[in-house]
Amino acid sequence: EPEVTQTPSHQVTQMGQEVILRCVPISNHLYFYWYRQILGQKVEFLVSFYNNEISEKSEIFDDQFSVERPDGSNFTLKIRSTKLEDSAMYFCASKRGSNTGELFFGEGSRLTVL
Amino acid sequence: AQSVTQPDIHITVSEGASLELRCNYSYGATPYLFWYVQSPGQGLQLLLKYFSGDTLVQGIKGFEAEFKRSQSSFNLRKPSVHWSDAAEYFCAVVAGGTSYGKLTFGQGTILTVHP
Repeated sequence: EPEVTQTPSHQVTQMGQEVILRCVPISNHLYFYWYRQILGQKVEFLVSFYNNEISEKSEIFDDQFSVERPDGSNFTLKIRSTKLEDSAMYFCASKRGSNTGELFFGEGSRLTVL
Repeated sequence: AQSVTQPDIHITVSEGASLELRCNYSYGATPYLFWYVQSPGQGLQLLLKYFSGDTLVQGIKGFEAEFKRSQSSFNLRKPSVHWSDAAEYFCAVVAGGTSYGKLTFGQGTILTVHP
């Protein structure tokens, strides 16, 4: 069964460092998303991406965050200068079309900022 | 703004017992509702979804959910719980957008199953 894969599964970084979280969406999917879950809190939408550009973003997704689809398979989330409060589980998700079909999630990347 | 509330943070049931996980939503328009499950070390897996039509929705793994507009609820049920159902369960509503992928989640309910 096709799946969304994320790397790394866990990353520890120092405050102020840049972090790139990588995702390989399902191959025939066209819509891509990042969500995050701070420990003990709700899963929150960060950004959606379609046709090589951001289609929506939340107020959390400030200038420190960026997303990119550098090639035909990867979808990355970059945090330019990490803060302690960026520590969270980050989920990538993808979707085939813009209809009411299923959103497929990856297993998540846990980011710990020290 | 839309919101989802799962009143129970943690529920414990015995294997074979019935289960009901509560979900209440707040959304101005017709909601599109989901239940996801997350097992330890796994991603979020879709159990079932409601968009329109029959208000009783069947999902995978023997789960069902009933949409009740008058109560703004979308409770998840299973008649007989298995030990493998132990996981965290999330209710979510589509928060608008053009691709139905922008979800607002509840805080989750952790299910523990006793043998």
